[in-house]
Amino acid sequence: DTGVSQNPRHKITKRGQNVTFRCDPISEHNRLYWYRQTLGQGPEFLTYFQNEAQLEKSRLLSDRFSAERPKGSFSTLEIQRTEQGDSAMYLCASSLKGVSSYNEQFFGPGTRLTVL
Amino acid sequence: SQQGEEDPQALSIQEGENATMNCSYKTSINNLQWYRQNSGRGLVHLILIRSNEREKHSGRLRVTLDTSKKSSSLLITASRAADTASYFCATENRMDSSYKLIFGSGTRLLVRP
Repeated sequence: DTGVSQNPRHKITKRGQNVTFRCDPISEHNRLYWYRQTLGQGPEFLTYFQNEAQLEKSRLLSDRFSAERPKGSFSTLEIQRTEQGDSAMYLCASSLKGVSSYNEQFFGPGTRLTVL
Repeated sequence: SQQGEEDPQALSIQEGENATMNCSYKTSINNLQWYRQNSGRGLVHLILIRSNEREKHSGRLRVTLDTSKKSSSLLITASRAADTASYFCATENRMDSSYKLIFGSGTRLLVRP
């Protein structure tokens, strides 16, 4: 399977615990995005990497959230001291920056976080 | 905050009928993309239409784009029960160097067998 993969698919944690999610993008893709989706809503942008550089972060990404993409391959999203409001589906997408003017993003299956 | 507004929020049709969903947005765009999401799953890319295109077809899908009205529509012809899902439009904004997608709130489509 050469699509975007995310692990774990589901995570249940207690309030105050730290959690880490992983995203493996399509191998030749140099752009990687994290989005968050709550029930009944469309995904909202969290952060963006071009290769290993984190170039943009949303105001939604509080200081409890950190994302990395070492070596420009897989990415991790860590949430420290989780709160019930962090419960959501966390989606990762990747794309290839090219000479074309458009940028089709391919999404992974998501990690569903439940904070008790 | 999300840019797009989709209409209707929910749509229920009989198998074989056509389904039309509309999307409005607020800023100048590079392109507009439509995605499908089955319950609790990831997003599947359906079709991308560039800002200089007015209509695009892919199988049973037809997408139109009116940049003067900042709106798009997705038509699914001859619907099937398997088309039951949520459908989202997403825009890539012209002035945004990250090329992130701004999603609407989605249309939940139910196709009754």
